[in-house]
Amino acid sequence: RKEVEQDPGPFNVPEGATVAFNCTYSNSASQSFFWYRQDCRKEPKLLMSVYSSGNEDGRFTAQLNRASQYISLLIRDSKLSDSATYLCVVMASGGSYIPTFGRGTSLIVHP
Amino acid sequence: EPEVTQTPSHQVTQMGQEVILRCVPISNHLYFYWYRQILGQKVEFLVSFYNNEISEKSEIFDDQFSVERPDGSNFTLKIRSTKLEDSAMYFCASRRLAGDVGELFFGEGSRLTVL
Repeated sequence: RKEVEQDPGPFNVPEGATVAFNCTYSNSASQSFFWYRQDCRKEPKLLMSVYSSGNEDGRFTAQLNRASQYISLLIRDSKLSDSATYLCVVMASGGSYIPTFGRGTSLIVHP
Repeated sequence: EPEVTQTPSHQVTQMGQEVILRCVPISNHLYFYWYRQILGQKVEFLVSFYNNEISEKSEIFDDQFSVERPDGSNFTLKIRSTKLEDSAMYFCASRRLAGDVGELFFGEGSRLTVL
């Protein structure tokens, strides 16, 4: 079973739409969670960390559901510049602390 | 703002040749990583480095790979005898905090093309 799973998409949405991505993880010892954004042929860049209580940064909201072992990212009022691949990253406690990446979800925002 | 820097940005090499990819992590960071991303595929963990030694490596990181931190600032990945399937983007990353907190900061990557 894959450690971190994401729907690869693409999600094709019009400007102004609200879009949500989910990510599931298999390791129940996971403690740290992040969403990264990756533009084509560029490095991943941190979008936001995901806290147990959920957190919001402008148009972006991240949620964590430990019982169901998934995290989510909600983007409101999508902009053309939001077009990118969104990577879910999970890190487990107890030893090696290796951030593990999901395959990413592709978002295309069109006019 | 401090950043992770990588060189070269692109290297083309012949199969069987040795390649060294260089990284300068952010200076007060404690953990260092190499990841690779084959075009169109996911970001895959290769190796982590902490306290001047390898702390974890993946099954991809076989005997043809090695890492070093020769001078306290540079962090290098060596591929001894490149294969066609080593063609990928190689990302260096560093993390400041110990334990399971603290996000990764990535360099811009080194694109390796093996012919």
